[in-house]
Amino acid sequence: QLQLQESGPGLVKPSETLSLTCTVSGGSISTTTYYWGWIRQPPGKGLEWIGSIYYRGTTYYNPSLKSRVTISVDTSKNQFSLKLSSVTAADTAVYYCARHVQYAAGPGGIRYSDNWGQGALVTVSP
Amino acid sequence: DIVMTQSPDSLAVSLGERATINCRSSQSVLYSSNNQNYLAWYQQKPGQPPKLLIYWASTRESGVPDRLSGSGSETDFTLTISSLQAEDAAVYYCQQYYTTPYTFGQGTKLEIK
Repeated sequence: QLQLQESGPGLVKPSETLSLTCTVSGGSISTTTYYWGWIRQPPGKGLEWIGSIYYRGTTYYNPSLKSRVTISVDTSKNQFSLKLSSVTAADTAVYYCARHVQYAAGPGGIRYSDNWGQGALVTVSP
Repeated sequence: DIVMTQSPDSLAVSLGERATINCRSSQSVLYSSNNQNYLAWYQQKPGQPPKLLIYWASTRESGVPDRLSGSGSETDFTLTISSLQAEDAAVYYCQQYYTTPYTFGQGTKLEIK
């Protein structure tokens, strides 16, 4: 059974870089069938897609965050990671990693998310 | 960006009754070449990640009870729970995956009356 688990600091200072890693178990990240991505949810609010990566390194980012986001993949560790720079209080959220089904027909290639991690709360505070 | 708007923001329904949640996209998410609507529905309970319920607007994910169903096309979509059970109390989100950035509705909170 596939499992995704987020890890990283729960507290980040303003202007610093938020770093999270998602470890995938029960399946390989090196598959042509899926993308791997990050979605966040501020406390009490809705969901925002941050970006996604293919195991070969192709990335898609939300334009609203693109200047601050880097997503990378380490296939040898079956992990992918998120870095978000210059954080502010507005970046305080639960950060989820997720698996996205890949389907080539249509714009882009990333489709719905069929597996999610439990989420990691990251608070931006001095 | 495609803006997803759900209605209502919240609703309370009695056990055994029907619940209907609507989702409207600011542009069509129907891909004409394969006649598929690039829309999904998720359920989120407190302290849990979202759970995929429906994709391609009407295809139920494995294990999802058949009392939950999705319908609609192009810009207007509906999630229906035909006979509400206690475990259906949650927040429901629609999401378009037609184009980046992938966007979600604001969520609809479903409570038991």
